[in-house]
Amino acid sequence: EDQVTQSPEALRLQEGESSSLNCSYTVSGLRGLFWYRQDPGKGPEFLFTLYSAGEEKEKERLKATLTKKESFLHITAPKPEDSATYLCAVFNQAGTALIFGKGTTLSVSS
Amino acid sequence: SQTIHQWPATLVQPVGSPLSLECTVEGTSNPNLYWYRQAAGRGLQLLFYSVGIGQISSEVPQNLSASRPQDRQFILSSKKLLLSDSGFYLCAWSGGEQPQHFGDGTRLSIL
Repeated sequence: EDQVTQSPEALRLQEGESSSLNCSYTVSGLRGLFWYRQDPGKGPEFLFTLYSAGEEKEKERLKATLTKKESFLHITAPKPEDSATYLCAVFNQAGTALIFGKGTTLSVSS
Repeated sequence: SQTIHQWPATLVQPVGSPLSLECTVEGTSNPNLYWYRQAAGRGLQLLFYSVGIGQISSEVPQNLSASRPQDRQFILSSKKLLLSDSGFYLCAWSGGEQPQHFGDGTRLSIL
């Protein structure tokens, strides 16, 4: 069964304290792995797409990496405005729908 | 640029009442359209998706239905709401196997 698991469920950081979020997946034939940011009461906002092992994407303080079984979202020197829930998703085997993890809720305090 | 609109933003309905949520996309043609539900403590659950007018695929059997009367319009409906239908409903669009882009959602509370 296609599945996405994110860890930790919640993460509290001090401003400037770097860390990583994990997304592990089980799907045959990865057709794309997606990272989203979701603020409370809002829809998810697209961040990155990764397609193959070894690929990396960066945006400001965020860097996403991909291996054959998992992806990491590295947050370097986070700021309070980075506080949000980060969601990971992969296409199902048929490529018709995204399978989402439950997300990691990040809180950054100053 | 493409934009997606969902309304209403918030809805409170009694058990047994009907439901109609609407989603429209601007700035693109023939998008794939999706309805998700996000319940507290759970991930996004795909309810329906559509690759064209009148083409609806259901991922989860339930008392909800979806329709796509126009290319860029997607409607989520129910004839009789249940308490378990409460949640945050999100509409999304994509161009084929591209990232999905979400609207701001409808918070539905059933009393």
